[in-house]
Amino acid sequence: DIQMTQSPSSLSASVGDRVTITCRASQTIGIYLNWYQQKAGKAPKPLISAASTLQSGVPSRFSGSGSGTDFTLTISSLQPEDFATYYCQQSYTTLPLTFGGGTKVEIK
Amino acid sequence: QLQLQESGPGLVKPSETLSLTCTVSGASITSDNDYWGWIRQPPGEGLEWIATIHHTGVTYYKPSLKSRITISVDTSKSQISLRLSSVTAADTAVYYCARLSYASGNYYIDLWGQGTLVTVS
Repeated sequence: DIQMTQSPSSLSASVGDRVTITCRASQTIGIYLNWYQQKAGKAPKPLISAASTLQSGVPSRFSGSGSGTDFTLTISSLQPEDFATYYCQQSYTTLPLTFGGGTKVEIK
Repeated sequence: QLQLQESGPGLVKPSETLSLTCTVSGASITSDNDYWGWIRQPPGEGLEWIATIHHTGVTYYKPSLKSRITISVDTSKSQISLRLSSVTAADTAVYYCARLSYASGNYYIDLWGQGTLVTVS
């Protein structure tokens, strides 16, 4: 199985801060990397597909980059509604699909 | 309105079989680029993919659960079903139904159900 490692597992930041979350794959996965946002008690929401394609309706302050084994999710200016847990997911192999452990973004 | 709705018992006894159904509305379950799956999340933990199915019947299962899982699709009812046998407390989780959209080699979960909590006790 391809292992996905996110870092940090949690972070504290203030409104307006630039936030970067890293996701590392245990082997190369091309650009088959997706990002999701999950707020407490809610289903995850799709943010970015194929490493850098912003989904419809997602604010432009979110961006994704990377290829191979190392990927980043960046929030250019953190907003109050962005406090949530973020997950990466690889689909280089359909069996099994795997998620990172999540990064919880908390208010400083 | 495009929607996935999970249904099933919220409480299952140990060693019994967990059965869930996902009803798809507002979308065709037979689109060739769409796959349908189940993802679960134990309380306070991360996301775990467990099974995927295509309307043609092609299935993918998480290897560690393969002996206990069955995923099926009923195109006439626009429903996807999950059965997980011999459950233990470790199977307690919120179970999400999801649509996986396939494009250029990438499987991307673009639609999630609201999730249903299943407790094994």
